[in-house]
Amino acid sequence: AQSVTQLDSQVPVFEEAPVELRCNYSSSVSVYLFWYVQYPNQGLQLLLKYLSGSTLVKGINGFEAEFNKSQTSFHLRKPSVHISDTAEYFCAVSYQTGANNLFFGTGTRLTVIP
Amino acid sequence: KAGVTQTPRYLIKTRGQQVTLSCSPISGHRSVSWYQQTPGQGLQFLFEYFSETQRNKGNFPGRFSGRQFSNSRSEMNVSTLELGDSALYLCASSLGQGRRDTEAFFGQGTRLTVV
Repeated sequence: AQSVTQLDSQVPVFEEAPVELRCNYSSSVSVYLFWYVQYPNQGLQLLLKYLSGSTLVKGINGFEAEFNKSQTSFHLRKPSVHISDTAEYFCAVSYQTGANNLFFGTGTRLTVIP
Repeated sequence: KAGVTQTPRYLIKTRGQQVTLSCSPISGHRSVSWYQQTPGQGLQFLFEYFSETQRNKGNFPGRFSGRQFSNSRSEMNVSTLELGDSALYLCASSLGQGRRDTEAFFGQGTRLTVV
């Protein structure tokens, strides 16, 4: 069965410190990988995506992620966080049946402390 | 260009009633999917419609149904509401086919409360 695991449900970090949010997936086939962010009472906004090619993917707001096929991971990183980065972050996978059939992880609540 | 529009934003219903939620996708998008978000179960895929046909389906009971119209707008219906159906329902749209179908765009959601 396909699954997406986000290992940390909550991550507190001080402002201007680096952060890594972890994501692992299970799949025996090729996948598309995504990170979405959700602010309170809002929908989901795409941060970045991995489809193929370079394993280091850069997204919006200074975020980047690295696809590691051997470890089936897609961890999200930012070298210096801001207060405005406080939000819920979701890792998602599509099994190439299309971009609109997504399996999500349980989310990581990132809290940036001033 | 306009984003994905969901109406209404908030709903309160009583157990046993039924409810219909609406989603207007981005112009040109032919795929519309629905997701349920709850604190306990997280984000779960309900179903996807493409060109008026259900293309994929998640693991939800038959009380949850949907449809898509020729203009790609979609509706989701939940019959015989239960307290556990209280959730944020998110709609997402994408191109739906081809090599450019690489991103789903989400609406702001409909917050359904069942009392």
